[in-house]
Amino acid sequence: AQSVTQLDSHVSVSEGTPVLLRCNYSSSYSPSLFWYVQHPNKGLQLLLKYTSAATLVKGINGFEAEFKKSETSFHLTKPSAHMSDAAEYFCVVSDRKDSSYKLIFGSGTRLLVRP
Amino acid sequence: GAGVSQSPSNKVTEKGKDVELRCDPISGHTALYWYRQSLGQGLEFLIYFQGNSAPDKSGLPSDRFSAERTGGSVSTLTIQRTQQEDSAVYLCASSLAAIQETQYFGPGTRLLVL
Repeated sequence: AQSVTQLDSHVSVSEGTPVLLRCNYSSSYSPSLFWYVQHPNKGLQLLLKYTSAATLVKGINGFEAEFKKSETSFHLTKPSAHMSDAAEYFCVVSDRKDSSYKLIFGSGTRLLVRP
Repeated sequence: GAGVSQSPSNKVTEKGKDVELRCDPISGHTALYWYRQSLGQGLEFLIYFQGNSAPDKSGLPSDRFSAERTGGSVSTLTIQRTQQEDSAVYLCASSLAAIQETQYFGPGTRLLVL
């Protein structure tokens, strides 16, 4: 069965400094991996998606993630944090069953950005 | 067109009452999913619909939960005899087809059972 582990429940950074949100996955085959972001009282928004093409995936708002099979990791990074990045971030793996998919979510990492 | 919409945005109910939550998927999306987001359990899959196929109900926590999707579009999630542990945000998502992995989420319905 697929699973994801987000290693930090909270990450706090200063505005303008780099962001690193860590995620490790477990999968019995080549997985599809996602990062979603959830701002307060807003729906989940797709940041980026990895589906076995390029291992470095670029997403919206300057975020990117690198798929490392040897480390079973899919960490999310951004060179310079902005106040508007404060939100909860979910690492997600797609669990394929027959011809359908359901998403398996990590427990989430809350990003705090200090001015 | 418009994104996934859900109604109501908030629902407060008394323990033991039934509630219905509605989801309108993105037009043209054939796959529809319900998830639940709660403090103790995080985000968990509940049920999935694809066209006229039998739904995948493997995530429903009890037989008090049911869902239907009429006409391949709008879906209703029904919780009977609500319990306090049902309090959560119920999220609906849709995708273009079952084989499309990218799911687009609605804003959710926040359910509070008193």
